Amino acid sequence: AQKVTQAQTEISVVEKEDVTLDCVYETRDTTYYLFWYKQPPSGELVFLIRRNSFDEQNEISGRYSWNFQKSTSSFNFTITASQVVDSAVYFCALSESKGTGANSKLTFGKGITLSVRP
Amino acid sequence: KAGVTQTPRYLIKTRGQQVTLSCSPISGHRSVSWYQQTPGQGLQFLFEYFSETQRNKGNFPGRFSGRQFSNSRSEMNVSTLELGDSALYLCASSVNRGGEKLFFGSGTQLSVL
Repeated sequence: AQKVTQAQTEISVVEKEDVTLDCVYETRDTTYYLFWYKQPPSGELVFLIRRNSFDEQNEISGRYSWNFQKSTSSFNFTITASQVVDSAVYFCALSESKGTGANSKLTFGKGITLSVRP
Repeated sequence: KAGVTQTPRYLIKTRGQQVTLSCSPISGHRSVSWYQQTPGQGLQFLFEYFSETQRNKGNFPGRFSGRQFSNSRSEMNVSTLELGDSALYLCASSVNRGGEKLFFGSGTQLSVL
């Protein structure tokens, strides 16, 4: 069975600090997809990034960067120079590609509440 | 382009009643999935519809059901409501199935009294 663990539950930083959100996943599939979503107080989950299991290239996009390591089953997310608007709950999620074909079912971690103080 | 629209935004029901939630996906999206979010259990997958057929179902009792129409709009129904059904119900859509990014609506907050 697939599982996503976000060991951190709450993180509080001061604006302009860098912050890394950890994610560890478990799956028996060789083909899978990993995601990060952000949930602001409005409730809508906002897509941040997707990686498939064959793409370990790490990426930087503005203030965001991602570190995907299959060897440790980790998919960590870093915000550089955090801002108050980054305050939200961040979810890591996993989607498997089973024998019947890929599906849209996401298994989410419990989420990390990030608070950025001015 | 309009996002995923869920109605109503808030609902208050009493135990034993039934409820129907509606979801309009982004135009052109054919896959719709539903999730339940509670403080205790987090985000849990309910079911996924594609081309009017249920393709995947989570571990929820039969009181939870859904359907998808030919225009990709979807509804989910919960019968015989229980207190534990109080949750934020989120709908998500994607163009196709399989590893694509999902676009979520703002959800329907259901309170069962």
